[in-house]
Amino acid sequence: DTEVTQTPKHLVMGMTNKKSLKCEQHMGHRAMYWYKQKAKKPPELMFVYSYEKLSINESVPSRFSPECPNSSLLNLHLHALQPEDSALYLCASSYRQAQTNEKLFFGSGTQLSVL
Amino acid sequence: ELKVEQNPLFLSMQEGKNYTIYCNYSTTSDRLYWYRQDPGKSLESLFVLLSNGAVKQEGRLMASLDTKARLSTLHITAAVHDLSATYFCAVDPYNNNDMRFGAGTRLTVKP
Repeated sequence: DTEVTQTPKHLVMGMTNKKSLKCEQHMGHRAMYWYKQKAKKPPELMFVYSYEKLSINESVPSRFSPECPNSSLLNLHLHALQPEDSALYLCASSYRQAQTNEKLFFGSGTQLSVL
Repeated sequence: ELKVEQNPLFLSMQEGKNYTIYCNYSTTSDRLYWYRQDPGKSLESLFVLLSNGAVKQEGRLMASLDTKARLSTLHITAAVHDLSATYFCAVDPYNNNDMRFGAGTRLTVKP
């Protein structure tokens, strides 16, 4: 299994809603990532978990709350989002963080629209 | 501030032609990555370049890295329509997978 699975694929939410994005991998990877990608822009790193611990937080607003319950799962909890948060949210994983010859395996993303 | 600059940003080429995409970056980095993204899809890893002078080839794509010049190139040989996509380079200056992406080159290959 060389896939990173993200659910849901599409999500529409209001600014007062609470929702969660989910990401799962079964490749034994111990580093997992959340990226945000606006249309026609490059991905921007949000969070990195290494061995289930948050290792990088790129000054992301607190309305985004990551969680890594175990080595295979990564969640992104959303609360009180703004319309400008509408984007494609990509999850990725790698064998280790800071490992030579690493590449990231990306999920297919969740297209989020905030109304 | 780290800058990763790709050019061109848009590239329209005919099938069978050759072309090169350039990726310049502003800080020391031993690692450089190339990714492909189809419209509405996720990113697919193409190449990982880890040292000065590294060259990797896969099919019609060849990537190289010059760490002294802080430059990587992605060369396309005899383009085919299936190569139409957006190509991103990314650097990892802190060697911790905190990747910084270029703006992307949107490639269209026409018959």
